[in-house]
Amino acid sequence: DQQVKQNSPSLSVQEGRISILNCDYTNSMFDYFLWYKKYPAEGPTFLISISSIKDKNEDGRFTVFLNKSAKHLSLHIVPSQPGDSAVYFCAASAVETSGSRLTFGEGTQLTVNP
Amino acid sequence: EPEVTQTPSHQVTQMGQEVILRCVPISNHLYFYWYRQILGQKVEFLVSFYNNEISEKSEIFDDQFSVERPDGSNFTLKIRSTKLEDSAMYFCASSEAGERGQPQHFGDGTRLSIL
Repeated sequence: DQQVKQNSPSLSVQEGRISILNCDYTNSMFDYFLWYKKYPAEGPTFLISISSIKDKNEDGRFTVFLNKSAKHLSLHIVPSQPGDSAVYFCAASAVETSGSRLTFGEGTQLTVNP
Repeated sequence: EPEVTQTPSHQVTQMGQEVILRCVPISNHLYFYWYRQILGQKVEFLVSFYNNEISEKSEIFDDQFSVERPDGSNFTLKIRSTKLEDSAMYFCASSEAGERGQPQHFGDGTRLSIL
C-alpha cells in the first residue's frame, strides 16, 4: 500500500531551527490529512490536520501545508525543541470510504539536537 | 486529559490460541477503531465500529477477527486462532464523530507476540 508515502525515514535538526517533514500521496480521493506524533512505547498522538479545501493550517509551532496539485503535504515545526524528537506519521482519509479509515505513511524519525 | 486505555500492554500467546485485546475508549466518543503495526511496517487499519456494528473493515480483518462492545465502556478485539503473522502492535482508537477528518485518539497499544 503506497497511497501515502513519507520518503525520509529520518531527519535531524538543531534546536531552535525549523523542522520540515514531508508526505506524498497518490489517491486523489483523499480529502483530509492528519499528522500524528509517536513516542516509543506510546500510541500516536494527534497533532494537526488539514482539509483538502485549504492549503495551510497553523496551530502554535506547527503548520501544515497542502499542495493538492502536487499531492504533497508538509509539516513545519518552528522553533524545534528537543521534546519534539519522535516519529511523525502522515495520515489521510478518503471520500469514498464509508467510515473514517486512516491510511498512514511509514513515519519519519525526527531528532532535535540541543 | 481523557485518554484511550488498552490492556494488556503485552500479550504472549501460543499459535492457535484465542486472544482478546481490550480497550476503553474516551467516554463521550462514539466511533471506535482497531489498527495494527507489524514491526517495521506501516500502521494499518483493521476495523471501525459504530452503534454496535462494524461500519468498515479492511481485507486484513477476516473471519478470524471479531470486535465487540460488551458493555458501555469496553471495546474488544478477538482473534480466534492466532497465527505467527498476527504478531504486531495493536492500537485501539476512538473519535467523537465519524465525519472524515475527525481526529482519532489512540491508546498506547498492546504488543501481541505469537509463539
